[in-house]
Amino acid sequence: DGGITQSPKYLFRKEGQNVTLSCEQNLNHDAMYWYRQDPGQGLRLIYYSQIVNDFQKGDIAEGYSVSREKKESFPLTVTSAQKNPTAFYLCASSMGVLAGYNEQFFGPGTRLTVL
Amino acid sequence: RKEVEQDPGPFNVPEGATVAFNCTYSNSASQSFFWYRQDCRKEPKLLMSVYSSGNEDGRFTAQLNRASQYISLLIRDSKLSDSATYLCVVNLSLGDMRFGAGTRLTVKP
Repeated sequence: DGGITQSPKYLFRKEGQNVTLSCEQNLNHDAMYWYRQDPGQGLRLIYYSQIVNDFQKGDIAEGYSVSREKKESFPLTVTSAQKNPTAFYLCASSMGVLAGYNEQFFGPGTRLTVL
Repeated sequence: RKEVEQDPGPFNVPEGATVAFNCTYSNSASQSFFWYRQDCRKEPKLLMSVYSSGNEDGRFTAQLNRASQYISLLIRDSKLSDSATYLCVVNLSLGDMRFGAGTRLTVKP
């Protein structure tokens, strides 16, 4: 089955630790995205990538880093510099620039809690 | 002004009711529009795209009014399974999607 997978589903971290959230897709999509969702709020864009080896900051990139070494994978690292990292993290993908303004499809998300 | 605004609700309706949600957006250059559904503690899932001419999918109808910069979602004959949060999504430019905070719907027996 084609889709987007994220792991782990739940993640607990101590303050001061970096953690990496995994996102993999087998939809052959060019574009991938990371969002953060806090209770009662809309999704906010952290980083996005339209093509392998290229990515851009979203609205709230501070304290996060990404890489896009493979088309299928777009891991997100939450660094100790992120002041309030407890949130629901969602990865998405879409067909990309050449396909126009197209819809995004989401993975199941990772709930990160900082202890 | 927020880029995408929705009435947060909650909307509490009985089964079989018709319910409508509106969403306004601030950027007149917005290119495409979507409604997503999000169940509690789950990921958003695409419900339907919104086309300029309006579109219908079963009990769901979406409308776009570019002049007034709003989109709407109408749900007819509500089912218990329609209970969820409905997210209005606006595509400002390639890759730049803006999400509303969502409207919560509860359908009661």
